Amino acid sequence: QSALTQPASVSGSPGQSITISCTGTSNDVGYYDYVSWYQHHPGEAPKLMIYEVSNRPSGVSNRFSGSKSGNTASLTISGLQAEDEADYYCSSYTTTSTYVFGTGTKVTVL
Amino acid sequence: EVQLVESGGGLVQPGGSLRLSCATSRFTFSSSEMNWVRQAPGKGLEWVSYISSSGSTIYYADSVKGRFTISRDNAKNSLFLQMNSLRAEDTAVYYCARVVTGRKFDYWGQGTLVTVSS
Repeated sequence: QSALTQPASVSGSPGQSITISCTGTSNDVGYYDYVSWYQHHPGEAPKLMIYEVSNRPSGVSNRFSGSKSGNTASLTISGLQAEDEADYYCSSYTTTSTYVFGTGTKVTVL
Repeated sequence: EVQLVESGGGLVQPGGSLRLSCATSRFTFSSSEMNWVRQAPGKGLEWVSYISSSGSTIYYADSVKGRFTISRDNAKNSLFLQMNSLRAEDTAVYYCARVVTGRKFDYWGQGTLVTVSS
């Protein structure tokens, strides 16, 4: 049950696009399309941003998009805004019917 | 508005026990699959445990297996986590969260802090 690997930090200027990677194994990210992404501001409840690799819940900006190739999933934030500054975590369902989260990425808007 | 409110956190000595609760409202708890997720200070999110809607299926992370027990009371719309043999590395904010179709966590509580220290 090793955590999925994410970059520790990613930064960008307002209006730019950034991409966060999430690398797992053939037993989690590579096996299922059950990859989701969460935005987390310290002290608050995490918020679902993307589910099943590339789907957005209602109310989430279309500036957020997701994709997957092999064992690596990605979250792209386009038109970066100050309010996007937060920690982001990927999550995947696994072949042992458990869940695994990513190591987390701190997004900084310059 | 959907609510999940965790309680029961606090300071406990190594080797001690604590029972967390998660009171829910405004969604159909009895048909919902639930989880506990934690975040240690300065660390990322870690999935802890899952329980099916009926309570018949349960899973744990290896890090807590044999020490933690998840349970639920559908009549009271509540989720629980009994934590025994606590270690310093169990220090974290513990969140309850619902998982739905697509294996996504759609509702989360605000968390309760557990500190294991002498």
